[in-house]
Amino acid sequence: GAVVSQHPSWVICKSGTSVKIECRSLDFQATTMFWYRQFPKQSLMLMATSNEGSKATYEQGVEKDKFLINHASLTLSTLTVTSAHPEDSSFYICSARTGTGIGEQYFGPGTRLTVT
Amino acid sequence: AQSVTQLDSQVPVFEEAPVELRCNYSSSVSVYLFWYVQYPNQGLQLLLKYLSGSTLVESINGFEAEFNKSQTSFHLRKPSVHISDTAEYFCAVISNNAGNMLTFGGGTRLMVKP
Repeated sequence: GAVVSQHPSWVICKSGTSVKIECRSLDFQATTMFWYRQFPKQSLMLMATSNEGSKATYEQGVEKDKFLINHASLTLSTLTVTSAHPEDSSFYICSARTGTGIGEQYFGPGTRLTVT
Repeated sequence: AQSVTQLDSQVPVFEEAPVELRCNYSSSVSVYLFWYVQYPNQGLQLLLKYLSGSTLVESINGFEAEFNKSQTSFHLRKPSVHISDTAEYFCAVISNNAGNMLTFGGGTRLMVKP
């Protein structure tokens, strides 16, 4: 089946630094990738949608200058949390989909970010 | 606009007992419905989905869900749960007028007790 990986699986960083999270589709080409944020015991909140080769579309309330998303190829999208603060600590999950129609999204295992 | 409501945030149940996790959606157009399972500190895994055809869909590990258009529901059921079924379950919907975007419910934590 379709596999999506994320790296790193967990990261601890100091306040004010930037962190990059990678999301890769291992055995399929992902025309669309999604980034979600999940707080403890809560549901997933969509942060942004990215299509290969174009700028990401951010959901309302998500700061695009803080959460930089790059979808440089059909198998790789990156999320960079810039100038991280403790309130950015969360579980970040990416998913990938082929095509733009009704299609299954394949989810990565998530990245736990802790900002100290 | 589409939305998903999972009525129970937690469902405790004893091992080998039946369970139903409730999911209701709101959408004015055709929908596609999904159940995902999330184990601790992991991403989401697709459990089952309804796209079209038979309204009763099944997973390989004994779960089933029935799409009920009149009641706008997609409840998840299992006749006999195992300890290993303990996880967070998310119902999600895609509707044609929402840009093919997944909208998740708030999740239901299934806690299976021995």
